[in-house]
Amino acid sequence: GNSVTQMEGPVTLSEEAFLTINCTYTATGYPSLFWYVQYPGEGLQLLLKATKADDKGSNKGFEATYRKETTSFHLEKGSVQVSDSAVYFCALSEGGATNKLIFGTGTLLAVQP
Amino acid sequence: GAVVSQHPSWVICKSGTSVKIECRSLDFQATTMFWYRQFPKQSLMLMATSNEGSKATYEQGVEKDKFLINHASLTLSTLTVTSAHPEDSSFYICSASFRGTGNTIYFGEGSWLTVV
Repeated sequence: GNSVTQMEGPVTLSEEAFLTINCTYTATGYPSLFWYVQYPGEGLQLLLKATKADDKGSNKGFEATYRKETTSFHLEKGSVQVSDSAVYFCALSEGGATNKLIFGTGTLLAVQP
Repeated sequence: GAVVSQHPSWVICKSGTSVKIECRSLDFQATTMFWYRQFPKQSLMLMATSNEGSKATYEQGVEKDKFLINHASLTLSTLTVTSAHPEDSSFYICSASFRGTGNTIYFGEGSWLTVV
């Protein structure tokens, strides 16, 4: 079945460091890919998404490119801030009418000043 | 933006009792609501999908008689864990979507359930 694998955390970085959180997927068909972020005490928020191969999703300085050849959707940011500290979830949507999402395990990012 | 609210944020209950978690869409009518659970260091696992006014569709392996889902209105869905046991202790999170551009999905804050 469809699945998402993302790197385990926690990831600890200093402010202004470069961030990469790896995400790979297994899916039949052509899923849409997402990154969600969960700040402490809040619900999951959609960070960015890509709906087809070679699409690049971007938001708040974060980027991820839908790579069908490597079945990956790695999250990157050039310069992280303390306020980026959160849990990041990679997910795929199986499409169709149900909007069913399959999530990775989540990666905790801790940014130190 | 659209908001989905869950209540309670955390709850402790005795083994054998039932506990209800509410999920509300505060400023939109949710055509579909989803319930997930997450064990420590594991993925969010979809438990069931519910559409307003119809029975929930449960994922394989989820006991429908144990996890009762009611989607009575377009703004409220409830998850009732019946005869809870310690192994039901988990993080439960709901999400809601509505018809619109891309059927955007919004998540609640999640509810921590501890069964003692």
